[in-house]
Amino acid sequence: NAGVTQTPKFQVLKTGQSMTLQCAQDMNHNSMYWYRQDPGMGLRLIYYSASEGTTDKGEVPNGYNVSRLNKREFSLRLESAAPSQTSVYFCASSRLTYSYNEQFFGPGTRLTVL
Amino acid sequence: AQRVTQPEKLLSVFKGAPVELKCNYSYSGSPELFWYVQYSRQRLQLLLRHISRESIKGFTADLNKGETSFHLKKPFAQEEDSAMYYCALLTGANNLFFGTGTRLTVIP
Repeated sequence: NAGVTQTPKFQVLKTGQSMTLQCAQDMNHNSMYWYRQDPGMGLRLIYYSASEGTTDKGEVPNGYNVSRLNKREFSLRLESAAPSQTSVYFCASSRLTYSYNEQFFGPGTRLTVL
Repeated sequence: AQRVTQPEKLLSVFKGAPVELKCNYSYSGSPELFWYVQYSRQRLQLLLRHISRESIKGFTADLNKGETSFHLKKPFAQEEDSAMYYCALLTGANNLFFGTGTRLTVIP
């Protein structure tokens, strides 16, 4: 099992450009998440999808959109990138049950917006 | 609003010395807390959760509701413990709120 995979690993954009970060998991998990990690800020939740067909805003959703394409895939789109979106982006997934389940993280995408 | 505070950005200890990584939280609901760890060139992964009351890799953490703390402890640090450690609070249906992290360096 590959677990949670993310593409690309690195990306450099110019201000105003758009791009989509891809995430896929092969663990048959219901829930998927997008976080950003900035120096000194820890991980902050951007959007999450509790189950296929649903998405909800997290702590810092402005400037982003998401799509839960199917149970396996959850993409994050930046429509018009800004320098403030320079960060490392992590995707994660977990099972959805009545009790908490461990979140499994991808390797991250390092995005630089010039 | 919820808050998770890890007061130490950096922590260095000698091999064999005790280590304590501090975590304090603020949350109006019933807290569920976790420690996640990221070793060099590896993914972020769960280390332990307070409801399990388990010891993982020699680490333990006790939830102290009176002091709103969930400090991570190990009696004898090893070089392989060097990593970035994050305390996290469960705030909703499987949503985690992370602290800013502590980078632990164990000096040989």
